[in-house]
Amino acid sequence: GAVVSQHPSWVICKSGTSVKIECRSLDFQATTMFWYRQFPKQSLMLMATSNEGSKATYEQGVEKDKFLINHASLTLSTLTVTSAHPEDSSFYICSAQRLAGGQRNEQFFGPGTRLTVL
Amino acid sequence: KQEVTQIPAALSVPEGENLVLNCSFTDSAIYNLQWFRQDPGKGLTSLLLIQSSQREQTSGRLNASLDKSSGRSTLYIAASQPGDSATYLCAVPFSGGYNKLIFGAGTRLAVHP
Repeated sequence: GAVVSQHPSWVICKSGTSVKIECRSLDFQATTMFWYRQFPKQSLMLMATSNEGSKATYEQGVEKDKFLINHASLTLSTLTVTSAHPEDSSFYICSAQRLAGGQRNEQFFGPGTRLTVL
Repeated sequence: KQEVTQIPAALSVPEGENLVLNCSFTDSAIYNLQWFRQDPGKGLTSLLLIQSSQREQTSGRLNASLDKSSGRSTLYIAASQPGDSATYLCAVPFSGGYNKLIFGAGTRLAVHP
């Protein structure tokens, strides 16, 4: 159990276009999902927290108008990179938090999406 | 502000060795600590989660310990195998919360036959 999928697994796009990445919790409900970005040989950096039915909370330095997040249901969150530029090329990873009671709140991660902007 | 440090940054060992990976954090008021494994170009696999009330967790050849007072956790890998080669990340919740995670930079492990 506790499987998280991402689609697509990789995408190449031209500069100026928009790209949508989906994150799904396959066998559990997740009221909260998180979006991370990882540059080569670096660790994960949290971009935003996505809550079902409400606006996402963005970390400092992350442009909310550039990285649009929609958490449409308890199993789906989407990240749209608008007007993508080469510097947005990165590995985007989502995670979903399964509420198992108490303070557990373990997160399960998707396989990631490799975005390359030409 | 919570900061997470992992030592060593990289490790190369022959197969069969027992290993210790270290993780330290600056704010000891954490709810839990997680260890993850990441293979190149892949997402994260959760290995172990230790609650703040626990001192250690075990899963197969992996054992993770937690010492909140000193701000340290160790991941012990017994009888390492080439398939253990990956980057190991530890993560703790942001200070004052238990949802958002802050990650260490990771330890890149290479186990050679």
